[in-house]
Order: sequence, then C-alpha cells, then structure tokens
Amino acid sequence: DTGVSQNPRHKITKRGQNVTFRCDPISEHNRLYWYRQTLGQGPEFLTYFQNEAQLEKSRLLSDRFSAERPKGSFSTLEIQRTEQGDSAMYLCATHPEGYTNYGYTFGSGTRLTVV
Amino acid sequence: GQQVMQIPQYQHVQEGEDFTTYCNSSTTLSNIQWYKQRPGGHPVFLIQLVKSGEVKKQKRLTFQFGEAKKNSSLHITATQTTDVGTYFCAANQAGTALIFGKGTTLSVSS
Repeated sequence: DTGVSQNPRHKITKRGQNVTFRCDPISEHNRLYWYRQTLGQGPEFLTYFQNEAQLEKSRLLSDRFSAERPKGSFSTLEIQRTEQGDSAMYLCATHPEGYTNYGYTFGSGTRLTVV
Repeated sequence: GQQVMQIPQYQHVQEGEDFTTYCNSSTTLSNIQWYKQRPGGHPVFLIQLVKSGEVKKQKRLTFQFGEAKKNSSLHITATQTTDVGTYFCAANQAGTALIFGKGTTLSVSS
C-alpha cells in the first residue's frame, strides 16, 4: 500500500461509454497529479491540482477528459465517449507542497481496457 | 516543452555486471528525479538531484547530475535480480508537473 489509493484497479468498458476513476491521496499531500502510461512508455502527464484548484492541464489532453478535486481531498478523472486509444494505466500521484527533495508518491493505478 | 531523453531503451545484463542509464535534456534542468518501476508495479521515487555536478549514492546505486545540469546518469554496480525493472528520469520547471522520460528497462539473468 503506497498510501495513495486508486479505484477501481481494473476497468473494462465498451467503446463509447463513460468511465470515472477515483484517487484518494495521502492526507498531508495537497498536490495531486494524474498521469497515463501505456506499455513501454513513461508516465504521460495529464493534469494536476493544488488543493482544489486545477493548475495545469496537458495541451495534448482531449476535451473528453475531465478531472475534479472538489474539496481538495480525493480526485476523480472522467473519460467520456471512450475510444480504444484510451486503453492505458491511469496513475495518480501526490506530493506535499513546499517539500523539496521529496518525490511523488504514486498509487497502484487503474488499468483501463476499452473494447 | 521540456523533454528528457533516456538511453538505452533496454539493457540486459548478467547478474553481477554493472548497468548505466543516461538521461539528457536540451535545456538546463532545475532538478532531476529518478524512479524505479518494477514489472506490473507503479513508479517509486528513488532520489532527487539539484546541484550542478552532484553525486549521490544509495548502496549499489550512484546518481550523478551533470555540470551543465542538462544530463544525469544512474549507475548500478554488480546488478542483482532484484534490480530488474524500468528506471525513469523526470524533471520539471518550478510549479509545474514532472515530465518523465521513456525509461530504460533492465533485465538481469542469473
């Protein structure tokens, strides 16, 4: 257990369906990041929050993707009208603001398969 | 945008041999972080380098940040089967999210 909890661990969905993933961060970590990882690639940045504010969003991110962190605690990532190319591992990572020399703590991820 | 390039993409060694992976950037980095991802696992933070020319060691792992802060390396001495995995470097500008390299996947045969 990394301290960052992601649910579900696996999701299989049909193309065109909407899916939502949840991330529960380490409570002291006010920064929360979403990444996507496909086989043989490094984590690809999607978006990040500081408390409830969404501070950065990848320019490559389709408008079918939306993320929220309503109370600055857990976060959700929704993908609308899923496509086969959305199949990937979706990783959440958290970090405490102001702590230098401190890396990101990743959750175990949600593996999405779009069929 | 900022990018970090890693080489090699794959490396296979015999147990006991040394291993090195390199991370390069075309721009000066404020810091660089290294992560390890075991097969089927998630990235785990190893270390952060901040200073020009910095060298840090963790047991058999040696991390180095270049003098120009545009490159970094991770060297493993006398690899063991437990070192198997993918090693990523990552960097960011202040206030932005980490950008990861594509990683170097290490396999070790005993």
